[in-house]
Amino acid sequence: GIQVEQSPPDLILQEGANSTLRCNFSDSVNNLQWFHQNPWGQLINLFYIPSGTKQNGRLSATTVATERYSLLYISSSQTTDSGVYFCAGHNDMRFGAGTRLTVKP
Amino acid sequence: EAQVTQNPRYLITVTGKKLTVTCSQNMNHEYMSWYRQDPGLGLRQIYYSMNVEVTDKGDVPEGYKVSRKEKRNFPLILESPSPNQTSLYFCASSLLRGSYGYTFGSGTRLTVV
Repeated sequence: GIQVEQSPPDLILQEGANSTLRCNFSDSVNNLQWFHQNPWGQLINLFYIPSGTKQNGRLSATTVATERYSLLYISSSQTTDSGVYFCAGHNDMRFGAGTRLTVKP
Repeated sequence: EAQVTQNPRYLITVTGKKLTVTCSQNMNHEYMSWYRQDPGLGLRQIYYSMNVEVTDKGDVPEGYKVSRKEKRNFPLILESPSPNQTSLYFCASSLLRGSYGYTFGSGTRLTVV
C-alpha cells in the first residue's frame, strides 16, 4: 500500500519563528490534505491541496504532485500552533505518523 | 452546525465485554471511516464505508465490526474487546471517497482492562 512519510517527527520552536513541515508519498495522490491535532486531541482540516499553493493566514501549503511531496509552512508561530500535524491522501486517506510541534513562549 | 458526532468520549471496559462506539454525521456524506490512533503510528484505518450497506476493511480490521444501515450512522462494534484495543478512536466522513473536506469526530478514548 501507499506509504506516507512526514518530517521532522518533532519540532520545538520559539514563539515567532517560522517552520516547514514535509510530507512525502510513495505513490501519487490527488486529494492531499493537512490536519492539525490540538493538545485536546481534536483533528482539524487545514488544507485540501492536491497541487499548487494555498494560504490561510499564517499557514500556507504547497504540493508538488509530480514529485509526490507537500510542504506546510507556519510563519510567526504562536503557542496555539502546538500539536501534531498530519498529512493524508489516497482514496481511503492514508496518514503519516505526524510532526509534533511545540511552540514555546 | 455541520459535524461528526462520536459517543462516548471516554470509555473504560473489561476484556470480553461487547461495546459499541457510535458515529453520526449531519452532512449527507456518503463516505465514512473509522481510525485508531496509537503513539508513533499516526492514524490507521479500521473500516470504511462508501455508502449504505457498503463497507470494507481498512489496514487494521481484526477484532472490529461495523455496519452502515443508514447514511448518517456508522457504529464501530468490538464484540470481545482485548487490552491491545486500548486506543484513541476517530470517526471521519467526506462527501465522497477521496474527496475534500475530510471531517473528524472528537474522538473516543477507549481503555480495555
